[in-house]
Amino acid sequence: SYELTQPPSVSVSPGQTASITCSGDKLGDKFVYWYQQKPGQSPVLVIYQDSKRPSGIPEQFSGSNSGNTATLTISGTQTMDEADYYCQAWDSSTAVFGTGTKVTVL
Amino acid sequence: QLQLQESGPGLVKPSETLSLTCTVSGGPISSSNYYWGWIRQPPGKGLEWVGGIFYSGSTYYNPSLKSRVSLSVDTSKNQFSLKLSSVTAADTAVYYCARPKMNYYGSGTTCWFDPWGQGTLVTVSS
Repeated sequence: SYELTQPPSVSVSPGQTASITCSGDKLGDKFVYWYQQKPGQSPVLVIYQDSKRPSGIPEQFSGSNSGNTATLTISGTQTMDEADYYCQAWDSSTAVFGTGTKVTVL
Repeated sequence: QLQLQESGPGLVKPSETLSLTCTVSGGPISSSNYYWGWIRQPPGKGLEWVGGIFYSGSTYYNPSLKSRVSLSVDTSKNQFSLKLSSVTAADTAVYYCARPKMNYYGSGTTCWFDPWGQGTLVTVSS
């Protein structure tokens, strides 16, 4: 079965840029989606089809996807961006989620 | 604005069947191009896709759960439902309903989830 791997944690200073990677075999051939999940809340879509932002998602969130790695970039990170982030792709009629990355702003 | 709300028992005994319902408001469940789906998250762990159903009945299932999962749609109530049989403690999780968006393009199909319900915790325990 297809697997997506993310680093367990990423730390970033306020105002700096956080980059979260998502790795999978030939991932660049698929569309990748990113979700933000704050404690006790349901996930929220922040990037769809590799790099598009849904309505209401700030410009500080951006995405890219090439080769075997997709990346979510959070520019000007704020404490409110502290959350778990999950990547997701569709493979063989199955939704696959990444292992998740906890972003800490300190 | 589309909203989804899960409902069902919060405690299920081992070997029994877990049953949840998702009520959709803000739009008809029979809208074209939309599936309706379930995703779960064990406490402290990551997300796992359970499956999705089109209002006409066609389905996609997580292969690892397929033998135990049944999905259905009730267009008259604007609801869709999940049944998971023969549950064990490993099925303890927050269960989210969500709207999968399927997109068919030149080289294949893609799917993402938006929006999500608030989730409901189901504990499997005697």
